[in-house]
Amino acid sequence: DIQMTQSPSTLSASVGDRVTITCRASQSISSWLAWYQQKPGKAPKLLIYKASSLESGVPSRFSGSGSGTEFTLTISSLQPDDFATYYCQQYNSYLWTFGQGTKVEIK
Amino acid sequence: QVQLVESGGGLVKPGGSLRLSCAASGFTFSDYYMSWIRQAPGKGLEWVSYISSSGSTIYYADSVKGRFTISRDNAKNSLYLQMNSLRAEDTAVYYCARVYSYANEYFDYWGQGTLVTVSS
Repeated sequence: DIQMTQSPSTLSASVGDRVTITCRASQSISSWLAWYQQKPGKAPKLLIYKASSLESGVPSRFSGSGSGTEFTLTISSLQPDDFATYYCQQYNSYLWTFGQGTKVEIK
Repeated sequence: QVQLVESGGGLVKPGGSLRLSCAASGFTFSDYYMSWIRQAPGKGLEWVSYISSSGSTIYYADSVKGRFTISRDNAKNSLYLQMNSLRAEDTAVYYCARVYSYANEYFDYWGQGTLVTVSS
């Protein structure tokens, strides 16, 4: 199985900050990576697919980059609505796997 | 608009069985691959099972293989998960999710989830 490791596990930030979350794969997954946002008690929401493609309706302050084994999700200017947990997911091979999550908290 | 509505969760004893359902609307269900994904309380996301649009291709996570069965009824726009021999570690919110497409297996729509609690 491909293991996905996110860092940090928790991130404290203020409104307006630039935030970067890293996701590393245990083997190359090309660009087959998605990012999701989850708020407490809610289902995950797709933000980014194919490492850097923004899902329709997602604000442009979200961006993704990377390929191979290292990927990043960047929020250019953190907004109050962005405090949530973020997950990466690889879909290079079946047995799709998620990172353990990064919780973005208010500083 | 795309809607996925899960049902069938509840409290069950270890060793028991439960059948989850997911009612789909707002899209041509028979055109899409589907998956079940779960989340234990306070934990991360775990992919559970996947079924192709026709039902001919099915995959399971090792943690549920041999105990869970995924199926679908395209005439009823419904996805199912039969869960047998349930264990405490199966306790989770179970989400059904639409797979964007074959070879692009990210999950573009999710249901609200149904809670399964396995406890004596």
